[in-house]
Amino acid sequence: DAGVIQSPRHEVTEMGQEVTLRCKPISGHNSLFWYRQTMMRGLELLIYFNNNVPIDDSGMPEDRFSAKMPNASFSTLKIQPSEPRDSAVYFCASSITGGYGYTFGSGTRLTVV
Amino acid sequence: DQQVKQNSPSLSVQEGRISILNCDYTNSMFDYFLWYKKYPAEGPTFLISISSIKDKNEDGRFTVFLNKSAKHLSLHIVPSQPGDSAVYFCAASAQVGATGNQFYFGTGTSLTVIP
Repeated sequence: DAGVIQSPRHEVTEMGQEVTLRCKPISGHNSLFWYRQTMMRGLELLIYFNNNVPIDDSGMPEDRFSAKMPNASFSTLKIQPSEPRDSAVYFCASSITGGYGYTFGSGTRLTVV
Repeated sequence: DQQVKQNSPSLSVQEGRISILNCDYTNSMFDYFLWYKKYPAEGPTFLISISSIKDKNEDGRFTVFLNKSAKHLSLHIVPSQPGDSAVYFCAASAQVGATGNQFYFGTGTSLTVIP
């Protein structure tokens, strides 16, 4: 199993541009989570899906952030327009519903200049 | 508000000695706890877990202790090895039913094991 696959690994973009982060969960996992890692807040949950349906998006910081999961094998996190304060490492993780623990991807390091 | 707190951002320990990483939580509904380990440029990986029905869980050099009354857990690494140098995240969860459960993470503790 290739694990949770995230792309790109690194993204540098200019303020105001649209950024799309991608995630492929582990096959058979039906819960998917997007986290953002910052020094101040550690790993902060942005949104999670169960069976492709968004369950809790209360962690999404602003309307500039949106996430979709069109099918069981793909999810995107979009920031439009991006701002320098969005610079962070974004992780995707997946699990079996009710499972004890997640498998994380390697993350996307986003830098907005 | 941080429901899971790791108040020590960093810790340095001599190789062969014990490393103790601490974690506090505020939500009394949390019933399952995990420790994750993270190396630079990699995603966090699962290390060890404990359910609220237990107060100790051991896996090799790693032991997690849970004190429910104090809402505190700790990770002990004995003996510490240079390869243990990483960021350690504590996470906690409360079962929320058929739609799954989410874990709340602390801010992490960066452990450095000095050879």
